Amino acid sequence: EVQLVESGGGLVKPGGSLRLSCAASGFTFSRYNMNWVRQVPGKGLEWVSSISSSSSYIYYADSLKGRFTISRDNAKNSLFLQMNSLRAEDTAVYYCARTTTVTNSDAFDIWGQGTMVTVSS
Amino acid sequence: SYELTQPPSVSVSPGQTATITCSGDALPKQYGYWYQQRPGQAPVLVIYKDSERPSGIPERFSGSSSGTTVTLSISGVQAEDEADYYCQSLDTSGIYVKFGGGTKLTVL
Repeated sequence: EVQLVESGGGLVKPGGSLRLSCAASGFTFSRYNMNWVRQVPGKGLEWVSSISSSSSYIYYADSLKGRFTISRDNAKNSLFLQMNSLRAEDTAVYYCARTTTVTNSDAFDIWGQGTMVTVSS
Repeated sequence: SYELTQPPSVSVSPGQTATITCSGDALPKQYGYWYQQRPGQAPVLVIYKDSERPSGIPERFSGSSSGTTVTLSISGVQAEDEADYYCQSLDTSGIYVKFGGGTKLTVL
């Protein structure tokens, strides 16, 4: 079964750091571009970051201003998001999502169940 | 910054056709994608490349594109289609991902 499972969420104080992980299974992880998307409870989806299959290309939403770092370990079928200088407005469910390999398509065809990050003192 | 605009809500009676629009300046150059999100669940891709339907998605889901607007149509709406729907695309650079604000579909 194709699956993405996030972990690493939790409660962190403002200014703190957290590292999210996403474990992939059921597909050849190294062939796919991957992404992080977040969602404040009750609000809409917000794209956070994307990384190409070989980590050659990495992009972030402007709103993050260099506080987050995306990475991956293809040998371990894992995607990561290092989050530093966390703020209350970073409180959200964080999803990892796979970009489809369909030609000329940038759709996110597989999503994890999400991990909740709460930034509060 | 680049924006994708959706109506906050759409209501439709069972069996009718629901239409949800998404407008953005880059849409003439970039494909539009649609996701369904039921409460407490992760999003599910229902339309890609403006009008293509992934395997497993019912035929009642269809998409179209015209100028700066992409449209999701759900014909013969069922109670199970009640959910939030999000459009997604890239900006004019083709690099940065953007989601619309989402549309809550209510089945009356």
